[in-house]
Amino acid sequence: GAGVSQSPSNKVTEKGKDVELRCDPISGHTALYWYRQSLGQGLEFLIYFQGNSAPDKSGLPSDRFSAERTGGSVSTLTIQRTQQEDSAVYLCASSLGQGERNGYTFGSGTRLTVV
Amino acid sequence: RKEVEQDPGPFNVPEGATVAFNCTYSNSASQSFFWYRQDCRKEPKLLMSVYSSGNEDGRFTAQLNRASQYISLLIRDSKLSDSATYLCAVYSGAGSYQLTFGKGTKLSVIP
Repeated sequence: GAGVSQSPSNKVTEKGKDVELRCDPISGHTALYWYRQSLGQGLEFLIYFQGNSAPDKSGLPSDRFSAERTGGSVSTLTIQRTQQEDSAVYLCASSLGQGERNGYTFGSGTRLTVV
Repeated sequence: RKEVEQDPGPFNVPEGATVAFNCTYSNSASQSFFWYRQDCRKEPKLLMSVYSSGNEDGRFTAQLNRASQYISLLIRDSKLSDSATYLCAVYSGAGSYQLTFGKGTKLSVIP
């Protein structure tokens, strides 16, 4: 597609439920990133994919968080047993290479609210 | 010291003013630098890359000072539409694969 597409755009879930967030990157972009942004906070790195591999998972805050990427394209971020502190905007970005030349293009995000 | 730091502002400036933001970074081996713009409740959008020699795009000028480890963004002739939060981003390379973002500087351009 023309841009990075994320779904759903908004998600309200009850504490303890699992959620899946989807990211469809720009066609041909090999690198894919997940970040999250809490209210008034900066962008927090979660995980990086190059193709289907995740060389850097260092930002995942706990083992309740996992992500996968298939076919070098779509990625899913899963949060199990959601907690209120998981409430944030989850942003996906993609880039050619590692983004060192041209930066990233972000999707519009998924706003997650855990109640 | 945080990896990437910005003055959170807000910077409140009148239309037509010139305003400048700085962003400091801690890793002297950092390789690439960017400025992003983020409107309220929207995703960050790339404004411009920052090159060693400095670069200009219309009313926007970005500069890199490696010796003092900071980048700057200058906006001339501010427009109301420039009101947003400006994020700097740094790519460190050397095993770090992601851009590290500052928390942003909020700019409000006032009529």
